[in-house]
Amino acid sequence: SYVLTQTPSVSVAPGETARIACGGNNIGVKSVHWYQQKPGLAPVMVLYHDSDRPSGIPERFSGSNSGNTATLTISRVEDGDEADYYCQVWDSRSDHPVIFGGGTKLTVL
Amino acid sequence: EVQLVESGGGLVRPGGSLRLSCVVSGLNVSLNYLTWVRQAPGEGLKWVSLMYTSGDAHYADSVKGRFAISRDNAKQTLYLQMHNLRAEDTAIYYCVSGRGTSLDYWGQGTLVTVS
Repeated sequence: SYVLTQTPSVSVAPGETARIACGGNNIGVKSVHWYQQKPGLAPVMVLYHDSDRPSGIPERFSGSNSGNTATLTISRVEDGDEADYYCQVWDSRSDHPVIFGGGTKLTVL
Repeated sequence: EVQLVESGGGLVRPGGSLRLSCVVSGLNVSLNYLTWVRQAPGEGLKWVSLMYTSGDAHYADSVKGRFAISRDNAKQTLYLQMHNLRAEDTAIYYCVSGRGTSLDYWGQGTLVTVS
């Protein structure tokens, strides 16, 4: 089955840019979605279809997807961005269609 | 506004059964796919089960044969019947729906503890 790989942790200073990668075989042909999860809360979608932002998500959140890597970019990082971030794709040809990456813990220094 | 509210979690002995419910408002359960996602303590998100609008159901290998997903369109409710529970089923269970391939709407989760 399809596998998504994420770096376990990323650290960045406030005001800097965080880049969180999600690797998968030819992931560039798939739609990648990103979720933010803060401690004790349910996940919230921050990007869908690689780079579209749901209503209420700041423009600081952007995304790209090409080749074997999709990337969530958070510009001008704030303390409130500290959270776990998960990528997800849908494999419609599989009996196990919903696939998550292992998650990346973003620490704001 | 779309809302998904789970209930039914709790403490259960290994080998026991539990039924989770998810009441949905703001969208038609018969016209949207619905899925269960779980998160073990300190772990990442794991897909558990999915029901398409057709009623077709899919399960993760770890729960196949033990869990059953169903929905009641009239009650706008999704269920997850869980049998033969194991310690490794201990997790927060989220009811989730979406449009297309994304998981747009999440419930607050319900905790299942098998011990």
